[in-house]
Amino acid sequence: DIQMTQSPFTLSASVGDSVNITCRASQSISSWLAWYQQKPGKAPKLLIYKASFLDGGVPLRFSGSGSGTEFTLTISSLQPDDFATYYCQQYNSYSRTFGQGTKVEIK
Amino acid sequence: EVQLVESGGGLVQPAGSLRLSCAASRFAFVSYEMNWVRQAPGKGLEWLSSISSSGATIYYADSVKGRFTISRDNAKNSLYLQMNSLRAEDTAVYYCARTRIAAFDYWGQGTLVTVSS
Repeated sequence: DIQMTQSPFTLSASVGDSVNITCRASQSISSWLAWYQQKPGKAPKLLIYKASFLDGGVPLRFSGSGSGTEFTLTISSLQPDDFATYYCQQYNSYSRTFGQGTKVEIK
Repeated sequence: EVQLVESGGGLVQPAGSLRLSCAASRFAFVSYEMNWVRQAPGKGLEWLSSISSSGATIYYADSVKGRFTISRDNAKNSLYLQMNSLRAEDTAVYYCARTRIAAFDYWGQGTLVTVSS
């Protein structure tokens, strides 16, 4: 199975900061990567699909990049509503595994 | 808007069984791949299983292969997860989710399964 490794596990940042979260796949997944945001007690919310396409209604301060095995989620100018846990997910022929998550905390 | 509503969670003893349901509405259920994902308390998301729109193609995570069975009834706009031989480590919130362009674009609110004696 394809393993997904996110870094860092936690990230402390301030409102207005730009932050990057990295996700690495154990083998190439082309661009079949999604990013989700989850807040406590809520279902995850899709932010980005196919590595770099913003889902509808997602603020433009979110962006995704990468292909193959290395991917990045960037949040430019962090807002109070952005403090949450973020997950990457790969989608291939036989599995759809998630990374372990990155918690973005207020500094 | 798309709606997914899970049900069937609850308290079950170890080695017991439970069947989860996910009622879908406000979209063409028959056209979409569907999925089950779980989240143990305080832990991350774990993909469990996916089923194609017709039900002909099914995938499972190794952690549940042989114990869990995904199925769907397109006439009833419903997705199911039959869970057998349940263990304490299966305790989690279970979500159903829809696939669109290789991502899970809509999720239900989740149903809690607790495995304990």
